[in-house]
Amino acid sequence: IAGITQAPTSQILAAGRRMTLRCTQDMRHNAMYWYRQDLGLGLRLIHYSNTAGTTGKGEVPDGYSVSRANTDDFPLTLASAVPSQTSVYFCASSAAGAADTQYFGPGTRLTVL
Amino acid sequence: GQNIDQPTEMTATEGAIVQINCTYQTSGFNGLFWYQQHAGEAPTFLSYNVLDGLEEKGRFSSFLSRSKGYSYLLLKELQMKDSASYLCAVRDSNYQLIWGAGTKLIIKP
Repeated sequence: IAGITQAPTSQILAAGRRMTLRCTQDMRHNAMYWYRQDLGLGLRLIHYSNTAGTTGKGEVPDGYSVSRANTDDFPLTLASAVPSQTSVYFCASSAAGAADTQYFGPGTRLTVL
Repeated sequence: GQNIDQPTEMTATEGAIVQINCTYQTSGFNGLFWYQQHAGEAPTFLSYNVLDGLEEKGRFSSFLSRSKGYSYLLLKELQMKDSASYLCAVRDSNYQLIWGAGTKLIIKP
């Protein structure tokens, strides 16, 4: 089934631990994005990648890193988690880059204690 | 700064019509999107406007006025399954999406 998958679905993490959220798409979309969604706020862009091998910083990149080794995968890493990173994380992709409609994965609910 | 405003919550009756407004102030404009998000799920694409006017898609329509920085989403013949949050997003001059906080729509029988 075509689409975007994310793993894990949810995670509880101790502060200071390292965590990688996985995102894979099989639609051969060029662009991929990571957002966080917090209650009362709009989706905020963390990092993006317009094509394999390139990445860029979004609105709230501090404390997060990404890589884009191939078209399908776009992992998000929290090097040393802090409680303020408790959020729901959505991965998205679009076919023709930023000028195209974005499609979202099911999300990862992360709690940092 | 960039800003997207939409009501926090609205209530409507099954079978009725509801209009969800969105006003925006952004650095540049390259289109406006509406997404639907059911509780605990991912946002799903509903509509896209880049020119002024009304775009109709079944029970849902979206309107844009670029001069007023204004859009609305119109939902007709409301069904219980339409209970969800509706997110307005504007693509700015850098082609990044700026998102509103969403409008939670509650449908009552």
